Amino acid sequence: EVLLVQSGAEVKKPGESLKISCKASGYKFNNYWIGWVRQMPGKGLEWMGVIYPGDSDTTYSPSFQGQVTISADKSISTAYLQWSSLRASDTAMYYCARPTSFYHSGGFYSSGVFDIWGQGTMVTVSS
Amino acid sequence: FMLTQPHSVSESPGKTVIISCTRSSGSIATNHVQWYQQRPGSSPTTVIYDDNQRPSGVPDRFSGSIDSSSNSASLTISGLKTEDEADYYCQSYDSSSPWVFGGGTKLTVL
Repeated sequence: EVLLVQSGAEVKKPGESLKISCKASGYKFNNYWIGWVRQMPGKGLEWMGVIYPGDSDTTYSPSFQGQVTISADKSISTAYLQWSSLRASDTAMYYCARPTSFYHSGGFYSSGVFDIWGQGTMVTVSS
Repeated sequence: FMLTQPHSVSESPGKTVIISCTRSSGSIATNHVQWYQQRPGSSPTTVIYDDNQRPSGVPDRFSGSIDSSSNSASLTISGLKTEDEADYYCQSYDSSSPWVFGGGTKLTVL
């Protein structure tokens, strides 16, 4: 069974750093892109970025470029989303999700459906 | 580009509901549209992919279509059940934006 299992809920203060994880199982981790999607309280879904664990090729949404860092550790089939300095506005549920495909070249993109989702990690940032 | 969905729809059990998703620019037919269901407190799941394809396990009460004349996609749910009550999101892409989600539609089955 293909699974994405995310790390548990976090409560942090503004200015603190954080790294959340998404562990994959049931498929060849290196061969599929993994993305991150934000859902702020009571709001919709926003794509943040994707990474190809095979070579760490990473593409960010312009809205999140420079605000977060996406990485992956092939040895333990785990993708990460991290912040160096959290803000209250980062309070949200964060999902990792595997798209069926992703292609990019010279600013041109095409993408497939997110067919596998993690259970989500709730991040609360409050003083 | 943006994808615009109605904020909410409601219908009675056993009836049919149609949720629209209108693309602001570029042709709706050029890039596939996906539909996700998100029940309260759960992760999204795919109910329609590539405009009108159903993943295994999704009942045939769910169907998707594209209308180029209105530049919109539609998710149709027939024979509504209380378990269909959820938020539904459309998603598509273009050459410069890999994943664009609609704002979501809250379906109430009353």
